Amino acid sequence: KAGVTQTPRYLIKTRGQQVTLSCSPISGHRSVSWYQQTPGQGLQFLFEYFSETQRNKGNFPGRFSGRQFSNSRSEMNVSTLELGDSALYLCASSLDRPGVNTEAFFGQGTRLTVV
Amino acid sequence: GQQLNQSPQSMFIQEGEDVSMNCTSSSIFNTWLWYKQEPGEGPVLLIALYKAGELTSNGRLTAQFGITRKDSFLHISASIPSDVGIYFCAGQGANAGGTSYGKLTFGQGTILTVHP
Repeated sequence: KAGVTQTPRYLIKTRGQQVTLSCSPISGHRSVSWYQQTPGQGLQFLFEYFSETQRNKGNFPGRFSGRQFSNSRSEMNVSTLELGDSALYLCASSLDRPGVNTEAFFGQGTRLTVV
Repeated sequence: GQQLNQSPQSMFIQEGEDVSMNCTSSSIFNTWLWYKQEPGEGPVLLIALYKAGELTSNGRLTAQFGITRKDSFLHISASIPSDVGIYFCAGQGANAGGTSYGKLTFGQGTILTVHP
């Protein structure tokens, strides 16, 4: 069974540009969450999607957005990039089925560098 | 908001030694998870805990969900060089009002170095 796949693995962008990251969850998983990881702040929750709907959102500015498609694949977008957006962006998928304990499985991440 | 304190921040041990790390929270969690992350990779799930008092093992790893639901520990026995990495605890709270959907709160991580 394939794991969580994130593309691209590495990205270099210039301040002011926008970027789109992609995540394909484990087959059958309908919940996709996004996290930002930086040395200073650690792992911070961005948002979660289930059945194409955003169910939860962390404390990030509106420049950070996402969406989920009918096949559960998800994308996140960051507009007007700032130097501080340089980070490892991680996607996690989970089964999220009522009555079933579900764990979150992470992809390898996308390393974004803003110059 | 919820805060997780993970300790120690780093550990340097000899191969064969046992090691323990723990996390404490200011709030109650319904789920505790332990992950390991290696350079350039995403976190890999090691153990999941769902009930207060639960003790679960995965090979040389053992983790427990604290009775108060505000803490958890991870124990690694007979460490080997491939145990090197950063270990994270993560908690998920009760889903009141949908505030916990997909949201894990992470500790700061424990950097483990194992000397052969």
